[in-house]
Amino acid sequence: GQQVMQIPQYQHVQEGEDFTTYCNSSTTLSNIQWYKQRPGGHPVFLIQLVKSGEVKKQKRLTFQFGEAKKNSSLHITATQTTDVGTYFCAGNSGNTPLVFGKGTRLSVIA
Amino acid sequence: DGGITQSPKYLFRKEGQNVTLSCEQNLNHDAMYWYRQDPGQGLRLIYYSQIVNDFQKGDIAEGYSVSREKKESFPLTVTSAQKNPTAFYLCASSIAGPGANVLTFGAGSRLTVL
Repeated sequence: GQQVMQIPQYQHVQEGEDFTTYCNSSTTLSNIQWYKQRPGGHPVFLIQLVKSGEVKKQKRLTFQFGEAKKNSSLHITATQTTDVGTYFCAGNSGNTPLVFGKGTRLSVIA
Repeated sequence: DGGITQSPKYLFRKEGQNVTLSCEQNLNHDAMYWYRQDPGQGLRLIYYSQIVNDFQKGDIAEGYSVSREKKESFPLTVTSAQKNPTAFYLCASSIAGPGANVLTFGAGSRLTVL
């Protein structure tokens, strides 16, 4: 079945440093979504990418979808303590349910 | 406010007992989902339903059962056949699904089996 791998599993950064998490799929994806889960909370939708090579920005967050639609990345510029949490990518093909990566847990040291 | 309500938030049960987790949504979404979250394991799909009175197994359906008698409700029963039931359970919904639809999650139910 479809698998979505996400690295790194953990990332500790100093406040102000950049952060990147990577997502790779074993199959070509129809779309990829990113979610953020704060400690003790539930996943909250951040963004969806559907086009090959697509790049979207949300303030300090930049999301990319690979040309082959099999990989994606989330980059945070100048991290802040409010960025703490676990970031999940999730993708699917056609009308199948989303498959989630295991997430990258971000810690920001002030 | 529209959203998804899960109850209870915390639940403790003895081994061998069945447990039912509630999930109600007022978003008028057609599709609903149950995910299980374990530390370091991400979210794994248990069951999903695209329409009333119909549901499909996800990747880890063994030991679980669901029903979808109403559009707004998708309860999950954790049966005694589930070998490792202690986990954080998340209910989600989407406008239609699954496809490219975005998921809205409830706050979750944390089940501990003693």
